[in-house]
Amino acid sequence: AQSVTQLDSHVSVSEGTPVLLRCNYSSSYSPSLFWYVQHPNKGLQLLLKYTSAATLVKGINGFEAEFKKSETSFHLTKPSAHMSDAAEYFCVGRKEGGKLIFGQGTELSVKP
Amino acid sequence: ETGVTQSPTHLIKTRGQQVTLRCSSQSGHNTVSWYQQALGQGPQFIFQYYREEENGRGNFPPRFSGLQFPNYSSELNVNALELDDSALYLCASSLEGYQETQYFGPGTRLLVL
Repeated sequence: AQSVTQLDSHVSVSEGTPVLLRCNYSSSYSPSLFWYVQHPNKGLQLLLKYTSAATLVKGINGFEAEFKKSETSFHLTKPSAHMSDAAEYFCVGRKEGGKLIFGQGTELSVKP
Repeated sequence: ETGVTQSPTHLIKTRGQQVTLRCSSQSGHNTVSWYQQALGQGPQFIFQYYREEENGRGNFPPRFSGLQFPNYSSELNVNALELDDSALYLCASSLEGYQETQYFGPGTRLLVL
């Protein structure tokens, strides 16, 4: 069965410093993996998706993620945090049949 | 291109009542999925509709039911509301079945008193 685990429930960074949000997945087959962001009182916005075409995936707003099969990881990074990046981030896997499996979420705080 | 829209934005019901939530899919999308997001948690899959047929269901009781219409808009119905049904209900649409990326609406926040 496919599941995703976000290793940190809360991450705090200073504006202008790098962001690292960690996600591990478990699956017996090549997964489809996504990162979504949710700003307060808003819906979920797709940041990026991995579908086996390339291990380094670039998304919107300067975010990227690297799929590492040997580590079963799909960590989200950004070189320089901006205040507007403060939000909840979800690592998401997709099961056969289209059901999305969400991680528990990581709340990102950005300090001025 | 119009994105996914949901109505109403907020709703308050009492225990035992019934509720209907509505979703209009993004233009050209024929697949709609519904998710429940309790406070402080990640969304949980309720079910998916593809071309007006249910196409997968999560671990939710039968009192959660849905419909998809010929224009691919969708409804989520919940009967006999319970306090634990209080949550943000999200609708997501995608092209041609489950393989495509799902795009989410802003959600309907339901409070059951």
